[in-house]
This record gives sequence, structure tokens and C-alpha cells, in this order.
Amino acid sequence: DSGVTQTPKHLITATGQRVTLRCSPRSGDLSVYWYQQSLDQGLQFLIQYYNGEERAKGNILERFSAQQFPDLHSELNLSSLELGDSALYFCASSVPPGEGDTEAFFGQGTRLTVV
Amino acid sequence: GQNIDQPTEMTATEGAIVQINCTYQTSGFNGLFWYQQHAGEAPTFLSYNVLDGLEEKGRFSSFLSRSKGYSYLLLKELQMKDSASYLCAVNTDKLIFGTGTRLQVFP
Repeated sequence: DSGVTQTPKHLITATGQRVTLRCSPRSGDLSVYWYQQSLDQGLQFLIQYYNGEERAKGNILERFSAQQFPDLHSELNLSSLELGDSALYFCASSVPPGEGDTEAFFGQGTRLTVV
Repeated sequence: GQNIDQPTEMTATEGAIVQINCTYQTSGFNGLFWYQQHAGEAPTFLSYNVLDGLEEKGRFSSFLSRSKGYSYLLLKELQMKDSASYLCAVNTDKLIFGTGTRLQVFP
């Protein structure tokens, strides 16, 4: 168990809908990362938050947004869903560089299926 | 831009040694990670190299050359359970992953 919790584990929804994925980082970790992994593809970096502030952005679609709350949990919002958004969405947490161990710990992922 | 390259697939036999290479070109570099990922599961941490040289951890070792933008993961005494994807990730101002190398170990 990595200590990172993602909910829900599975989500099936229709095109055009909006969903929210939730991530609780490891206790003490200030950084949260979101990644998308489509079938047989690599991990695509979406966005990173550190202590509530957006720190880095990857190839995140405008239909997607995220935030990190004061209690450090994070949510990824996906709207106007398309079939191509079906993927595993991973959250990872870490302490940022220069502040000790920077290993990122991954949650078990949310498998999103858009039908 | 950011570019991380790994071979897509490799095969090896049980008990053998395999080396998985990773080359990178990134703006910024704080270190390089190797992760293992079984299909449908979360990636799990294997190693982290910050300085040049070899880091050994049991059957797994990882090497880094910062001047060459090159790393490799060495797996010894391969076991069937080592069949998985191996992900190289560069730590810049964010953590960027390569597409992974799918390793199949045969008896």
C-alpha cells in the first residue's frame, strides 16, 4: 500500500458528461501529480500541485481541470467527456525536490470508461 | 522540449540478465527514476539516480551518465514475475515519464 488513495476505482459514464476523480496523498506529502494512461500507452503528465498551488502543467486539455485543497487532497475534473478520454488516471504524491526524498508514490488509479 | 526514449519491447529468458536503456533530453534535470508497472496496476518505485554512476539494489541496478543524457536499468537473475513495463522518469520541475519498455520473461 503506497499510502495514496484514489476514488473511485472504476467509473463508467456517457459521452458529454462530467466526472470528478479524487486523490488523497500520503501523509506529509505536499506535491500531487495527475497522470493519464491510455490502453498500452505510457504515463502522460497532466498537472502538478504543491501545497495548494499549481506548480507545473503538462498536456492537459482545456476540458480538464484540477485543484488541491487546504487539506492537500486533490480533485481532477473531466468535462464534456469523449470516448478517447477512457483511460487509467493515476495520482501520485511526493515531497518536492530539495526537501528530502523525492520519490513519487502512486495510487491504484481510477479506471474511467466513457461509453 | 522534453524527450525521453526507451525501447518499446524486450524479451529475455528466466535466469538471464537484461539491460533496459533510457536516453533523455530535458530542460532541467534533478534526477532520474525507474519504476516497474504490471499491467493495470500502479507504478512502483525501483531506483533513483541523482549523481553519475551505478546504484545497486539486490537484483536490480541503475546507472546514470548526466553528460550523455543516458541511463540504464540492469535486471539480473530474471524471474517470471519480472515480466512488466519498466518506466524511466526524469525529475525536472515536474516528473516526466518515458513510454516504458515492456519486458517479457520466458521460461
